[in-house]
Amino acid sequence: GDSVTQMEGPVTLSEEAFLTINCTYTATGYPSLFWYVQYPGEGLQLLLKATKADDKGSNKGFEATYRKETTSFHLEKGSVQVSDSAVYFCALSDTGAGSYQLTFGKGTKLSVIP
Amino acid sequence: NAGVTQTPKFRILKIGQSMTLQCAQDMNHNYMYWYRQDPGMGLKLIYYSVGAGITDKGEVPNGYNVSRSTTEDFPLRLELAAPSQTSVYFCASSDGQGLNQPQHFGDGTRLSIL
Repeated sequence: GDSVTQMEGPVTLSEEAFLTINCTYTATGYPSLFWYVQYPGEGLQLLLKATKADDKGSNKGFEATYRKETTSFHLEKGSVQVSDSAVYFCALSDTGAGSYQLTFGKGTKLSVIP
Repeated sequence: NAGVTQTPKFRILKIGQSMTLQCAQDMNHNYMYWYRQDPGMGLKLIYYSVGAGITDKGEVPNGYNVSRSTTEDFPLRLELAAPSQTSVYFCASSDGQGLNQPQHFGDGTRLSIL
């Protein structure tokens, strides 16, 4: 079955530091890949997505590139802010599922300190 | 824009009680989903629906029931509450026209079974 593995947290960074959150996946079909962000007390929001190999998704200074050869979709940001403190989820949607179900990683909690 | 609306936001139940978690969306999405989120475990799919009158089990359906009588509403029913059902529940919807369509989440219902 499909699965998503992302680096365990929590991750604590100082403001303006570089962020990488690793994500790898296994899928039976040709998945689309997503990063969702969850701020405290809220639901998940789509951060960025990529639908095919070598696509780069980007939003709010965050980027992730769909790497089919390494089955990875690592999230990066060059300079984090305190407002980026949240839980980040990597997810995939696979043609094999037939229902556009999302398979989520366990989430990585990021804390950015001033 | 309301998006996906979940009620209630918080609820405490006694073991053996029943309740219905409400979910409504105003985006005319065909696909709707219920997830539970346990600490450190990511999101697990409980049930999903691909349209009015059609529902199917996800990864963790035991102890829950759903119905989809309209496009807008997708309630989740707990018949005999158990402590293992203490969790945060999220409803989501998507256009479902392609696997690259993101899911839109509600703010969640925090449920405690005592």
